[in-house]
Amino acid sequence: AQSVSQHNHHVILSEAASLELGCNYSYGGTVNLFWYVQYPGQHLQLLLKYFSGDPLVKGIKGFEAEFIKSKFSFNLRKPSVQWSDTAEYFCAVNAPNYGQNFVFGPGTRLSVLP
Amino acid sequence: SAVISQKPSRDICQRGTSLTIQCQVDSQVTMMFWYRQQPGQSLTLIATANQGSEATYESGFVIDKFPISRPNLTFSTLTVSNMSPEDSSIYLCSVEEDTDTQYFGPGTRLTVL
Repeated sequence: AQSVSQHNHHVILSEAASLELGCNYSYGGTVNLFWYVQYPGQHLQLLLKYFSGDPLVKGIKGFEAEFIKSKFSFNLRKPSVQWSDTAEYFCAVNAPNYGQNFVFGPGTRLSVLP
Repeated sequence: SAVISQKPSRDICQRGTSLTIQCQVDSQVTMMFWYRQQPGQSLTLIATANQGSEATYESGFVIDKFPISRPNLTFSTLTVSNMSPEDSSIYLCSVEEDTDTQYFGPGTRLTVL
């Protein structure tokens, strides 16, 4: 079965630090990749997605992610985090051509210290 | 993206009772889904709510425990039946837009005593 792993359970950074959250998936076929964010007390929001084309995708709020097919990875990055980036981040994968619905990673909690 | 609302936003229920959660979308969507997010964990897909036919359940979820209705393209309900404390979770509905991209509702936080 398809699975998604995220490297860190909880990441603590100071403001202006750079961020990289790891995401790896197990499925070998063509996949769609997503990062969702859940701010405290808010609902899940789409941050960015990759379907095909340029493996470096840019999302909202200065986030970007790079798809590396050979590593089955889709890491999320931001050059300089802000306190308002404190949230839970979820990586998700689906492969609709193969009947694979969304599979979410366990999530990474990011705490940004002011 | 579509605006998704859920009712109730939260509830506290007694063991053995049932709760029906509503999901309303402000536009017609083909695909609607129900997820569960247990405390401190990630999201798990419960089922795909199919309009005009029975829902498609994921492994580990059954219709008797989580009956789902989808009477039209803007509305769905999920019932959590015969609840136990293990059912305490956030239940979320989502819709598919932009082809293969899902957007989520605010969730229903359920606590079972």
